[in-house]
Formats: sequence, C-alpha cells, structure tokens
Amino acid sequence: SAVISQKPSRDICQRGTSLTIQCQVDSQVTMMFWYRQQPGQSLTLIATANQGSEATYESGFVIDKFPISRPNLTFSTLTVSNMSPEDSSIYLCSVERLLDTEAFFGQGTRLTVV
Amino acid sequence: GIQVEQSPPDLILQEGANSTLRCNFSDSVNNLQWFHQNPWGQLINLFYIPSGTKQNGRLSATTVATERYSLLYISSSQTTDSGVYFCAVERDYGGSQGNLIFGKGTKLSVKP
Repeated sequence: SAVISQKPSRDICQRGTSLTIQCQVDSQVTMMFWYRQQPGQSLTLIATANQGSEATYESGFVIDKFPISRPNLTFSTLTVSNMSPEDSSIYLCSVERLLDTEAFFGQGTRLTVV
Repeated sequence: GIQVEQSPPDLILQEGANSTLRCNFSDSVNNLQWFHQNPWGQLINLFYIPSGTKQNGRLSATTVATERYSLLYISSSQTTDSGVYFCAVERDYGGSQGNLIFGKGTKLSVKP
C-alpha cells in the first residue's frame, strides 16, 4: 500500500481566490492523478501529474484553471484558481506505484467556495 | 470510452442482512477496484480484483472478466458499512494511461 498525506483536509474560500492542495506520498510512485468529486456525484479525473513536465488534462479541464505541479516522484500540487461556488467539491489525489497496479487515494480535500 | 454501471443505486438494509452489489463494464479491463467512501469523503480500498474471487472478513468480491462484471458481497451488515461503494476500472487497450473510471456508486444505508 501507499501512505498519502493530502493537505488541507478542508477549506472554505472566498470566490475569486485560489487554493493549492498538496499531495505527499511516503515512497516513490510512477503515477499520480487528481480527481474531482462534485456533491452527490462520482469521481472524475482532472489530470495526470507528470514528473518534470506539464500535466495531461482530461476533456473539460484546463491548465489555467487547475495548474498542477509534480517536481519529484513523491509530491504533487493542484491549484484551483479564480474559484467560484461551482468549484465546491472534494478533490482527491491518487497514486499507483507502477502503471496498471492498485490505486490508492489521499483522504481528500473538501472545498467550499462562498 | 468505457462505461461502468453499478446497481442498485441505493440500498437500505437492516443490520445483520446480506447484500450483493453489482458492477458491469463495457470493455476489457486490466484493473478493477472496489472502494468504500466514508461519510468524511475518504476512499477506502476494499479489493483490487481484475479477475477471480477474494475475501476479506465479511466482504468478498468476484470478477468475471470474460463476462464483464464484478460482484461485491457484504454479509452480516453493520451500521458502519453505511456509505457509498464505488467500482472503478482501468481499460485494457495496450496504451493504458493508468487512471480509473468510476461508476456512479451504490449508496448503502444499514439501519440498526
């Protein structure tokens, strides 16, 4: 398994501001992903965080709104920029040690935008 | 893209009852996982089961990859089993990107 520390666990933010979420893993992993879970919905992939290069975004998500960094094999950040109430969701970091192996999730960041 | 359908969407049980949750998927997969999401939003890994059968205490799961479905069995349910159960798959098409595609979940409520 993997021990994943995701911070903050929750936050209430004003519209128009930005929040950066951190994901730290206890050992090197190949794959890191960021998901969004809107209220009452399932999880949707935002992007794959690539070590040392630009993230790969899914349809409907753009770098200007959700900039992602991954400076090394154990750490990544997701920023939610220029927030609106529609961004209120749970954001989750996920990791896989190797491609096509079991995925593990951080405890999530519950974001409320007012 | 691959479709993942879970049933039933909602389930209410009396404590001590047994239940079966189903996950159908529309294409070949090389990863299938079951998760339990607790009331605080955390996803708990239950099973990594791209094929075969596994058991862990009161929970067990079976995936029949050739028929594209998986089943999660909960026996002697407890109130702490309440929450949302997600099935998630990773499509097998050679150029795997590693990410999971989630079903919409089954919301389970266990009454005392």
